[in-house]
Amino acid sequence: EAGVTQFPSHSVIEKGQTVTLRCDPISGHDNLYWYRRVMGKEIKFLLHFVKESKQDESGMPNNRFLAERTGGTYSTLKVQPAELEDSGVYFCASSPLSITDPSYNEQFFGPGTRLTVL
Amino acid sequence: GDSVTQMEGPVTLSEEAFLTINCTYTATGYPSLFWYVQYPGEGLQLLLKATKADDKGSNKGFEATYRKETTSFHLEKGSVQVSDSAVYFCALSDTGDSWGKFQFGAGTQVVVTP
Repeated sequence: EAGVTQFPSHSVIEKGQTVTLRCDPISGHDNLYWYRRVMGKEIKFLLHFVKESKQDESGMPNNRFLAERTGGTYSTLKVQPAELEDSGVYFCASSPLSITDPSYNEQFFGPGTRLTVL
Repeated sequence: GDSVTQMEGPVTLSEEAFLTINCTYTATGYPSLFWYVQYPGEGLQLLLKATKADDKGSNKGFEATYRKETTSFHLEKGSVQVSDSAVYFCALSDTGDSWGKFQFGAGTQVVVTP
């Protein structure tokens, strides 16, 4: 079974440009999450999708960040325009929706996208 | 709100030494607790978990016990190997409105030398 995949693995852009990160969750996982780790600090929650709906977007830092999950499969996270403080590693995670699944309260993480804004 | 505090690194050890990484938490509900590990160049992997008080999670020689009375979930391994060099993250997932919103500690880098 394929794990969570993220693309690209690295992105280097200049301040003011736009970047779109993509996440493909584990097949069948209806829950999808985005997290960010900035400057070696703690990994912080950004938002949570259940299928195509945003369940919780309380961690999104500002309106320069836009997340979508059309069709309830893969998700994109767009940063427009990017600022220096957006640099960090963006992680995506997924988990099953069914409470009867033994992995119900776990989250499976992708390798992350390292974003550098110059 | 919920939070996780873990000891700062880096922690440098010799092979076969005993490893402890302290983790304490605050939570409003009845959280599940996790240790994730990030090996160099890889993503986060679940190392072990515990879902209720006094549960012990274990995997790959690592152990952690969910201590509600001290709000702690310290990670231990009796004899580390060079291959255990990684960054270790303590995390919690609370119940109620916070479900699904993992809270992580800042991570502890562990370096094991031959």
